[in-house]
Amino acid sequence: DSGVTQTPKHLITATGQRVTLRCSPRSGDLSVYWYQQSLDQGLQFLIQYYNGEERAKGNILERFSAQQFPDLHSELNLSSLELGDSALYFCASSGMGLAGVDTQYFGPGTRLTVL
Amino acid sequence: ELKVEQNPLFLSMQEGKNYTIYCNYSTTSDRLYWYRQDPGKSLESLFVLLSNGAVKQEGRLMASLDTKARLSTLHITAAVHDLSATYFCAVMRNNDMRFGAGTRLTVKP
Repeated sequence: DSGVTQTPKHLITATGQRVTLRCSPRSGDLSVYWYQQSLDQGLQFLIQYYNGEERAKGNILERFSAQQFPDLHSELNLSSLELGDSALYFCASSGMGLAGVDTQYFGPGTRLTVL
Repeated sequence: ELKVEQNPLFLSMQEGKNYTIYCNYSTTSDRLYWYRQDPGKSLESLFVLLSNGAVKQEGRLMASLDTKARLSTLHITAAVHDLSATYFCAVMRNNDMRFGAGTRLTVKP
């Protein structure tokens, strides 16, 4: 158990809908990262937050947004969903920002299916 | 654009043998990561490499980084069945991270 929790584990929805994925980092970790894994695209880094501020941005679509709250949990919002958004979404947390060495601890993932 | 290539993509090896997975990337990097993923599971961080010549070892796995060659290697020594998994490298540059396609390693008795 990494100490990172993600909810829900599974999510089935329809095209055009909006969903919110939630991530709770390990106790004390200030950084949260979001990743997408699909058969078509492989693993992609989406975004990183550090103590509430956006720190790094990868291949995150404009339809997707994220935020980190004062209690350090993070949410990834996916809107206007398309079939191609079906994927596993992982979050990870680490104790340090980009300036330090950051061993990441991954949550179990949320499997999103868009029908 | 930062591109990351791993090879081989599939690797079947016998227990007790040594082998190396290669990770090439196209531009300068800030740091390089190695991850492991078991089938149907989440990711596990293995190593973070920051500087040229960095070498890190954990058990039967050793990772190294040559920033001049833009190459990282993950060396497996005396493979055991428990090492069967998919291994990913990822490169961080300018606050963006790109992953390799992964190497699916199968260790056979």
